Amino acid sequence: KQEVTQIPAALSVPEGENLVLNCSFTDSAIYNLQWFRQDPGKGLTSLLLIQSSQREQTSGRLNASLDKSSGRSTLYIAASQPGDSATYLCAVEENSGYSTLTFGKGTMLLVSP
Amino acid sequence: DTAVSQTPKYLVTQMGNDKSIKCEQNLGHDTMYWYKQDSKKFLKIMFSYNNKELIINETVPNRFSPKSPDKAHLNLHINSLELGDSAVYFCASSQGGRQFFGPGTRLTVL
Repeated sequence: KQEVTQIPAALSVPEGENLVLNCSFTDSAIYNLQWFRQDPGKGLTSLLLIQSSQREQTSGRLNASLDKSSGRSTLYIAASQPGDSATYLCAVEENSGYSTLTFGKGTMLLVSP
Repeated sequence: DTAVSQTPKYLVTQMGNDKSIKCEQNLGHDTMYWYKQDSKKFLKIMFSYNNKELIINETVPNRFSPKSPDKAHLNLHINSLELGDSAVYFCASSQGGRQFFGPGTRLTVL
């Protein structure tokens, strides 16, 4: 059974720092991996999706990498801002088509001014 | 122009009652989902529907019954509510991988 682990559970940094969030998964036979952002009391927003054949995806100050063989992904946030404060969730999809996502428990990020 | 919408946003009810949560997506997606996020913020899949047909049912008590009247709607009906059903329920839709989530419905069972 797929298990997704995210480290650290919480992270507090001053504004402007570059930071890395980690995600690991136990079964490397994944179809894709997604990073989401969840703001308090809100739904999830998809940030980046990496297909199993890809190594990384970039969107603005966000860069996500995937090492499928070792079961790891990282989300790199450059020049962090207070508006980046949220919970970041990693999720893997194991089959194509109708498969569902298995989520980690998230990393709660606080960026202070 | 909300992509995935849910109603109600908050639901407070007594144990033993029956309640429904509605979900609509205007993205034209074929697949819709219900997820449950518990008090520890852990998000788990409950159901998946594709073109109005049930695809996945992840060991959810049969008190929970999803209904999809058409491709754009997936409603969740819960019978005989229990304290442990208190959680935030998220609807989502997808086509081709990326999933889009609704804002969630916070259910509190007293």
